[in-house]
Amino acid sequence: AQRVTQPEKLLSVFKGAPVELKCNYSYSGSPELFWYVQYSRQRLQLLLRHISRESIKGFTADLNKGETSFHLKKPFAQEEDSAMYYCALAGGTSYGKLTFGQGTILTVHP
Amino acid sequence: DTAVSQTPKYLVTQMGNDKSIKCEQNLGHDTMYWYKQDSKKFLKIMFSYNNKELIINETVPNRFSPKSPDKAHLNLHINSLELGDSAVYFCASSQDMDSYNSPLHFGNGTRLTVT
Repeated sequence: AQRVTQPEKLLSVFKGAPVELKCNYSYSGSPELFWYVQYSRQRLQLLLRHISRESIKGFTADLNKGETSFHLKKPFAQEEDSAMYYCALAGGTSYGKLTFGQGTILTVHP
Repeated sequence: DTAVSQTPKYLVTQMGNDKSIKCEQNLGHDTMYWYKQDSKKFLKIMFSYNNKELIINETVPNRFSPKSPDKAHLNLHINSLELGDSAVYFCASSQDMDSYNSPLHFGNGTRLTVT
């Protein structure tokens, strides 16, 4: 079975501070991991995926297979980063199926 | 506007009733999904259809019946509604079933409240 855990339901930081949203997964095969984001009054949308090694809106996420983690990081948080963030996992026979974590609400204070 | 649209946005109904939620996408995608977000904000897949064919059915009660008249539409009909069905239901679509290269595009959600 595959599972995604986001241990922090709420995370608050001040503008300009570094932010890290934690994500741990449980999966026996080779995982595909994603971060999805939902800004206020907007749809849930893809933020980034692990294999692209991309930086989107200043966010990066590195897959650590040893620690089974895929934490989302940004060195300097902005107020517009305030949103709900979901970590998601796709793998193996669950082709076409994403398993989502519980989500973390990030609030960036001015 | 190019998007995944679902109606209604809010649905309040009594236990025992039958209701439907409609979803349409004009993105030309082949695959559509229904996800349920419970009170703890967990998003769980319920169904997925690829070109009108049911692909994923995640142990959802028989009271839930998805219907895909064409690949641009995936409706969700719920019979004999129960209190536990109260949740936000999200429709989504993707180009195909390759979840890696075909990110999900979500609708705005339908908040169902069963009283």
